[in-house]
Amino acid sequence: DAGITQSPRYKITETGRQVTLMCHQTWSHSYMFWYRQDLGHGLRLIYYSAAADITDKGEVPDGYVVSRSKTENFPLTLESATRSQTSVYFCASSESHLAGAGEQYFGPGTRLTVT
Amino acid sequence: RKEVEQDPGPFNVPEGATVAFNCTYSNSASQSFFWYRQDCRKEPKLLMSVYSSGNEDGRFTAQLNRASQYISLLIRDSKLSDSATYLCVVSPSYGSSNTGKLIFGQGTTLQVKP
Repeated sequence: DAGITQSPRYKITETGRQVTLMCHQTWSHSYMFWYRQDLGHGLRLIYYSAAADITDKGEVPDGYVVSRSKTENFPLTLESATRSQTSVYFCASSESHLAGAGEQYFGPGTRLTVT
Repeated sequence: RKEVEQDPGPFNVPEGATVAFNCTYSNSASQSFFWYRQDCRKEPKLLMSVYSSGNEDGRFTAQLNRASQYISLLIRDSKLSDSATYLCVVSPSYGSSNTGKLIFGQGTTLQVKP
């Protein structure tokens, strides 16, 4: 199906474990983003990517790693999960960085719980 | 100070009411402005862009005041289905670069009651 998908949708893991959240989009959008959403903070940007092999830090990158070897995939890895990383993670994509092209398309989210 | 600030609410209104949300932003060089809607436990979706001249989409009207650095959203004749969280979103400008990033406000929750 066309669109942007995330997997898994729900994940429970233990402190210290490595976890990878997957994001896949079928539009060939250049830009992809990872956000986390927590009560009291709204959506905060973790990492973003302007194209394959180009990534950059957002507002809250510590403890996360990303890669983008293919345009359609943008996995997010928690190298050693901590309880503070319990959150809802949204992946998004957009087709242009030009001013005014502000529509980002979001995936359904991954609810991650770190115990 | 947060880059984009909104009153989190909740705003509880009866069906048919008119309700307005405001949002302020701190970066005077910000280029583009939007309202996104997020239903409970769902992903955010673009509701409408906000233009300097103001714009309307059915029951929804968005206004931008660059001098005062605030954005507003007016919803007329509220429906039960309007119940959601409304996110104020700004595309910042950092020098000559536009990175495609968006800055999201915390959101304002609207609950429309029968």
